[in-house]
Amino acid sequence: EVQLVQSGAEVKEPGESLKISCKGSGYSFSNYWIAWVRQMPGKGLEWMGIIYPGDSDTRYSPSFQGQVTISADKSISTAYLRWSSLRASDTAVYYCARQGNDGSSWYNPWGQGTQVTVSS
Amino acid sequence: DIVMTQSPATLSVSPGERASLSCRASKSVGSNLAWYQQKPGQAPRLLIYGASTRATGIPARFSGSGSGTEFTLTISSLQSEDFAVYYCQQYNNWPYTFGQGTKLEI
Repeated sequence: EVQLVQSGAEVKEPGESLKISCKGSGYSFSNYWIAWVRQMPGKGLEWMGIIYPGDSDTRYSPSFQGQVTISADKSISTAYLRWSSLRASDTAVYYCARQGNDGSSWYNPWGQGTQVTVSS
Repeated sequence: DIVMTQSPATLSVSPGERASLSCRASKSVGSNLAWYQQKPGQAPRLLIYGASTRATGIPARFSGSGSGTEFTLTISSLQSEDFAVYYCQQYNNWPYTFGQGTKLEI
């Protein structure tokens, strides 16, 4: 079974750093793009960026360029999303999702989501 | 960026009825369109890709149609478990973009 399992909920203060993870299993992790998607409280879905774990080719949505860093370690089948200095506006659920198995950029499956809460 | 506009924002229907959800793209995306279902507290679930191909395990009452800039998700006979928020997503041009969602409610 193809599966993405994300790290647990985080509560942080403004200005702190954070790295959340997404571990893939049941497929060749290196060969499929992984995306990160934000969902702010009560809002819709927003693409943040994508990474190809095989060579770490990464693309960011302009809205998130410079705000976060996406990385991957193919040796442990894990992708990451990192913030160097969190803001209250980063409070959201963050999902990872895998590219479709025909090489197109629809996404399935999705991780269960990681709740990030930033509050003083 | 390509803007995806979904309508209506909320659709009130009854179980057993047919529902049609619309998604419009600000420029052509060909058939590079997907539909997702999201229930409260859950991750999105892929329903349709390539505008009209059902994902594995998705019931036949879900169907997608359209190409270019106009797309429709149809649920032929609503079941109680279908009440959720539905998002369209274009993957023709990066950055990929979602519609704002249509909430299907009783």
